[in-house]
Amino acid sequence: DAKTTQPTSMDCAEGRAANLPCNHSTISGNEYVYWYRQIHSQGPQYIIHGLKNNETNEMASLIITEDRKSSTLILPHATLRDTAVYYCIVSFLSGSARQLTFGSGTQLTVLP
Amino acid sequence: GAGVSQSPSNKVTEKGKDVELRCDPISGHTALYWYRQSLGQGLEFLIYFQGNSAPDKSGLPSDRFSAERTGGSVSTLTIQRTQQEDSAVYLCASSLAGGVRGNTIYFGEGSWLTVV
Repeated sequence: DAKTTQPTSMDCAEGRAANLPCNHSTISGNEYVYWYRQIHSQGPQYIIHGLKNNETNEMASLIITEDRKSSTLILPHATLRDTAVYYCIVSFLSGSARQLTFGSGTQLTVLP
Repeated sequence: GAGVSQSPSNKVTEKGKDVELRCDPISGHTALYWYRQSLGQGLEFLIYFQGNSAPDKSGLPSDRFSAERTGGSVSTLTIQRTQQEDSAVYLCASSLAGGVRGNTIYFGEGSWLTVV
């Protein structure tokens, strides 16, 4: 299964775009890139996922490089409530299962 | 329900006692996962159920841990003879299927277990 590398922490000013990078250089062709976030004491919250095309939803945008070895999660207008640990995950198949292997994530702190 | 529901939300138990944690997945979701997260740590995969297939138990840390999924819906995670190192939040998640289509996996709020 492919591993991901993320910065340990990042700060972002409120109202500005937060760009969270992720490296997944060993990703294989059928593995998706997922992003989740976890606010203290809560269960992980799904944000977005993609295979190779860029994706956008009401929460964020996901930009995947053409070689799929890295991606960036973009929160277009960060708010204080976006302060959380953000996990970039490459989803692999284990037998018939699709599992999420969580790393250490990036602690994003949105500053007023 | 609208989301993955877990109970109890909090459980304090004495060392050596057995505990049961319950998960109600999102209606119609055939895939169900259990994870645990120790304080300040990342998520650790425990077990996975997909429809009527044999569960993937590769993440269970010891034979004190077991899980069932009855009728393809509700799941119960059982920890026998609890130890202090079992203290963690136990998270359940579900998705439409565990196949190759990249189905979204949704998590519950977790069951906080404290073993004293």
